[in-house]
This record gives sequence, C-alpha cells and structure tokens, in this order.
Amino acid sequence: QLQLQESGPGLVKPSETLSLTCTVSGGSISSSSYSWGWIRQPPGKGLEWIASIHYGGATYFNPSLKSRVTISEDTSKDQFSLRLSSVTAADTAVYYCVREWELLGDFDFWGQGTLVTVSS
Amino acid sequence: QSALTQPRSVSGSPGQSVTISCSGTNSDVGGYNYVSWYQQHPGKAPKPIIYEVSKRPSGVPDRFSGSKSGNTASLTVSGLQAEDEADYYCSSFSGSTHVLFGGGTKLTVL
Repeated sequence: QLQLQESGPGLVKPSETLSLTCTVSGGSISSSSYSWGWIRQPPGKGLEWIASIHYGGATYFNPSLKSRVTISEDTSKDQFSLRLSSVTAADTAVYYCVREWELLGDFDFWGQGTLVTVSS
Repeated sequence: QSALTQPRSVSGSPGQSVTISCSGTNSDVGGYNYVSWYQQHPGKAPKPIIYEVSKRPSGVPDRFSGSKSGNTASLTVSGLQAEDEADYYCSSFSGSTHVLFGGGTKLTVL
C-alpha cells in the first residue's frame, strides 16, 4: 500500500525558509502517470494547493505562491521536497504531501500532514 | 484565482439524504470533468471520496454520489450515518491555474 510521510521542522521563524520532505513508500515516484505535490491547510481553514512536480521534473505552482515556492524530486530516494521562502504567520498550516493522477487535480493519496508554525 | 463556492454547513438526520453544492465557473467546474470531493474528519487528512465528477474510489460506499450541471457540482450523501459527520471539500481542475478547492462544508448528522 502506498504511503506518504512528511518530515521537517515544526517551527520556522518569520522571514526564513520552510523546508519539507515527503518520503514515498510502497511505490515509486518515477511514474509518468502521476505527479506529486503539496497542499496546505491553515488552522480552522480550507485547503490550498501549493505546487506539483511531474515525472521528469516539470513543475506547476499556485500563482499566488509561485514567487516563493520551490519543489524538487529525488527519484533515487523516492522523495520530493518543498521550500517556501520569506514565510510569515500566514504560512502557518498543516502541510500535506499528495499523489496526483495525471496532473488533473485528482489527489488520490495523502500523507498524514505536518503542522508548521511560523513564529519567532 | 477565487476558490470554488460551497455552503458553510449542511445537516440531516440519520437515514436522510443531503446534497452539498460546489459552484465555479466555465474555467473550472464547467470546463472540465475533473471535479473531486474529499471527506475530512477532525485531525485527519482528507480522504478522496469522488473523482472525475461521479466516480468512487475503491472502498467508498455507494451512499456517496457526485454529479455536475453547468458550473455547479454536487455531492449527495444518502442514508446518512453518524460517521458521515465531517468536513467536505470539492476541487476542480482549472487549466492554467491547475486546481482550485472549495471553502469546505461542515456536514452535521442530527
């Protein structure tokens, strides 16, 4: 069974860079049928798609976050990563890593999520 | 880009049916048959329950059904059960902006 697990610091200072890694087990990220991405959910609020990366390295970003986001993959480790720069308190959220079918917005597997708090 | 529009809350008694709407535009919901629905219980990750407007992933009860008319998609939960009480989110492929989510609907089983 495919599993996704987020890892990274739970506390980031304002103006610094948030870095998270998702490790995929029970499957490989090297598939042309799937892309891999990040979605976040501020406390008590709704879901927001951040970015996705497709097999081969093609990347897609939420226009409202694009200038601050980097997404990358390490196929040798079946991992992909998110970096969000210049964070503020508004970036405090649970961050989920997800698998996406065919880059069509169908997120069929989710990690358990990790809470990242931006605070000094 | 604006989020898709969902009612903030709906409710129903056990055994009844409820429908949650998800309104968008012809650039998202109306333009593609790639609407998904997710169920989220408190403290848990969202769980996919509908994809491509009306398809159910393996293991999702057929009490959950999806449909679309024009720019509005709908999720119907029939034969309400206590465990259906959760937050529900819709999403739609949206072309160049990739994907939009709705604001979420809290379903209360009375």
